[in-house]
Amino acid sequence: KAGVTQTPRYLIKTRGQQVTLSCSPISGHRSVSWYQQTPGQGLQFLFEYFSETQRNKGNFPGRFSGRQFSNSRSEMNVSTLELGDSALYLCASSLVGQGEYGYTFGSGTRLTVV
Amino acid sequence: KNEVEQSPQNLTAQEGEFITINCSYSVGISALHWLQQHPGGGIVSLFMLSSGKKKHGRLIATINIQEKHSSLHITASHPRDSAVYICAVRGNNNDMRFGAGTRLTVKP
Repeated sequence: KAGVTQTPRYLIKTRGQQVTLSCSPISGHRSVSWYQQTPGQGLQFLFEYFSETQRNKGNFPGRFSGRQFSNSRSEMNVSTLELGDSALYLCASSLVGQGEYGYTFGSGTRLTVV
Repeated sequence: KNEVEQSPQNLTAQEGEFITINCSYSVGISALHWLQQHPGGGIVSLFMLSSGKKKHGRLIATINIQEKHSSLHITASHPRDSAVYICAVRGNNNDMRFGAGTRLTVKP
């Protein structure tokens, strides 16, 4: 069974640009959540989607947005990139919301903003 | 003060030792998760707890809701257990908050 797939794995962008990251969950999983990990702040929750609806959102500015499609694939978008957005972005899928049966994480997208 | 505190921050053990990692939180929660992150970034979900105790192989996780405290124990530790262990809580409003992680190194 295929795991959670995140694309791309690595990305370099310039300040002011925008970026879109993709996450394909495990087949049958309906919930996708996104996280940002930096050396200074550790792991932080971005948002969670279930059946195409955003259920929760972390404390990030409006430049960070996301969506989920009918096939449960999810994208997150960051507009007007700042140097501080450089991070490892992880997504996780779960069978139902809230990780009652655990989460499966993707390998992440490492974004570098220069 | 962080809402989720883990201790110790770093831990070095000899192979075979019993290991305990602690997590204390200050918010109301609906669930607590223990995660394992290996070098390179891959994260594995180990346990989800809302009460009591769970065991999986050499790993045991406990939670005391009244004391707002959870522990992760590793019995008969092995070098392959070397990783960062992260405690995460799901708040009553469904947001997720994370501890800073405990870096475990198990020496052969």
